[in-house]
Amino acid sequence: GENVEQHPSTLSVQEGDSAVIKCTYSDSASNYFPWYKQELGKGPQLIIDIRSNVGEKKDQRIAVTLNKTAKHFSLHITETQPEDSAVYFCAARTGGNMLTFGGGTRLMVKP
Amino acid sequence: GAGVSQTPSNKVTEKGKYVELRCDPISGHTALYWYRQSLGQGPEFLIYFQGTGAADDSGLPNDRFFAVRPEGSVSTLKIQRTERGDSAVYLCASSLRMETSKFFGPGTRLTVL
Repeated sequence: GENVEQHPSTLSVQEGDSAVIKCTYSDSASNYFPWYKQELGKGPQLIIDIRSNVGEKKDQRIAVTLNKTAKHFSLHITETQPEDSAVYFCAARTGGNMLTFGGGTRLMVKP
Repeated sequence: GAGVSQTPSNKVTEKGKYVELRCDPISGHTALYWYRQSLGQGPEFLIYFQGTGAADDSGLPNDRFFAVRPEGSVSTLKIQRTERGDSAVYLCASSLRMETSKFFGPGTRLTVL
């Protein structure tokens, strides 16, 4: 089955700096890669997603890149703000429609 | 409602008891998913419904776990003879169709004493 590795497990940045979180996946058949933000005591919130026919997608301060050959994808957050502090999860979907999640990255944005 | 809702938000039970967890998906969403999240980890897939039928239940850990969605909307996850290892946050998600974006509810935190 699919295996998703996520790095780093924790990330601390200064407000205004950029943050990058990286994920690798094992199943070359995976075709959909969402990113979720989870705040304490809440469910994961979809923030951006990318499909395998696209190499990059951007939404305001958030961007995701996908390298199918290397089987890795990354989340980029620019101009970080304290409210960006949360746990971020990447995920990959194979043809079976279930998502396999990475282990999460705790992002701390220091004011 | 505006989003996926789950009840109860917290459930404390004793080892060996039976529990039911409820999920109300976003109105009109045909696909519904159950995931389990242990502390400090990412969610793990349990089961997925397309309409009323379970399309994939390969993530259910054993036969103590069962889920239903009799009318293609609300779903109930049922756990028999609970064990301490079942303690986790149980998350429900829904999507408009199988291949579209999945939206998660707030989860039910289950604690088995």
